[in-house]
Amino acid sequence: DQQVKQNSPSLSVQEGRISILNCDYTNSMFDYFLWYKKYPAEGPTFLISISSIKDKNEDGRFTVFLNKSAKHLSLHIVPSQPGDSAVYFCAASGNSNSGYALNFGKGTSLLVTP
Amino acid sequence: DTAVSQTPKYLVTQMGNDKSIKCEQNLGHDTMYWYKQDSKKFLKIMFSYNNKELIINETVPNRFSPKSPDKAHLNLHINSLELGDSAVYFCASSQGTSALQYFGPGTRLTVT
Repeated sequence: DQQVKQNSPSLSVQEGRISILNCDYTNSMFDYFLWYKKYPAEGPTFLISISSIKDKNEDGRFTVFLNKSAKHLSLHIVPSQPGDSAVYFCAASGNSNSGYALNFGKGTSLLVTP
Repeated sequence: DTAVSQTPKYLVTQMGNDKSIKCEQNLGHDTMYWYKQDSKKFLKIMFSYNNKELIINETVPNRFSPKSPDKAHLNLHINSLELGDSAVYFCASSQGTSALQYFGPGTRLTVT
């Protein structure tokens, strides 16, 4: 039962343009959301997060938006750079019986072309 | 100065064998995890330990046994390996109940 969904397996964007990665979740108990970036043969690395009490968090070129009513979050990268090409995972955490576990989406592979 | 390290990075073995994967973190965290990424690229929690105590044990076959000798280490032992165990296993750590988890580089296990 997948509680976090990333419905776009891949996305291709030109360098300098905006990349928008989307994520939906079903469990209303989730109260913290994270985006991880993953290169091949490496572990996921933390990128940016947002608490459910906020609707936006910004860190440099990366902004995460949260729409609790729609159970939807998105990651905006602007401007996109070729080094941003990676797989991006959306993850959610809650104080439910899932304990401290992160629930991950299946990832979106982003390709930024020069 | 690697934060979360795993050994080995690649592990190829035959069905029926027993193998272990080691994980160490030097971040001073007190919570450690094992995740499995299957062929569909889906990352899923297997176990979590807090201060050497098991707090999460998802529906994982009992052939998988985590061992935490101290807060900095969480090893994964797998008995009687099966073809379906082939996957990438990631170790992670965090401080207490923080959702921010730091991941190791992964161990690609191939069972032939």
